[in-house]
Amino acid sequence: NAGVTQTPKFQVLKTGQSMTLQCAQDMNHNSMYWYRQDPGMGLRLIYYSASEGTTDKGEVPNGYNVSRLNKREFSLRLESAAPSQTSVYFCASSGPGVRATRDGYTFGSGTRLTVV
Amino acid sequence: AQKITQTQPGMFVQEKEAVTLDCTYDTSDQSYGLFWYKQPSSGEMIFLIYQGSYDEQNATEGRYSLNFQKARKSANLVISASQLGDSAMYFCAMREGRHSNYQLIWGAGTKLIIKP
Repeated sequence: NAGVTQTPKFQVLKTGQSMTLQCAQDMNHNSMYWYRQDPGMGLRLIYYSASEGTTDKGEVPNGYNVSRLNKREFSLRLESAAPSQTSVYFCASSGPGVRATRDGYTFGSGTRLTVV
Repeated sequence: AQKITQTQPGMFVQEKEAVTLDCTYDTSDQSYGLFWYKQPSSGEMIFLIYQGSYDEQNATEGRYSLNFQKARKSANLVISASQLGDSAMYFCAMREGRHSNYQLIWGAGTKLIIKP
């Protein structure tokens, strides 16, 4: 089925370890996003990529890096994980045009990350 | 200042009753869009309904409708004949501007529990 695929679904890291969250979409969307969701809060934008070859910081970029590898793939890297990065991470994508606007984002199923 | 405000952290509603989830927004743009998403306990984000700022009719999608009051800057979600499966977190979000590579601004969410 077409959609956004995120891996892994669960991960436990020790403080200081690094990891990369992978995201791929097969809907030919231009824009991709990484969000984090903390308990009792809405989604906060970490980084986004408006189109292939571009990335921009969102609301909470500190401690993260991203790579837009190609049109399909957008990865999020934690270089040195901290307990404050314990969260659920969502990747999302959106296409161009009015139709895509009305359809909103398509989300991945999320990655539950715990940093101990 | 909060751009999206959801004033109801939690709600209990009897099954089969209608429920209204509140959302107010703040923007100076003339062109904007409002979205509602559902997040069940399984964690995925599900798009429910969209209202554009220039749409003259209130949006409807099955049992979901959006009560759009532009002058009051409110975009309340109405669920008719609630079902047990409607128990979830509900998020209101706003897109500002005309550009296709938009970012969504999210509210903190309302946790809805449907009682049998």
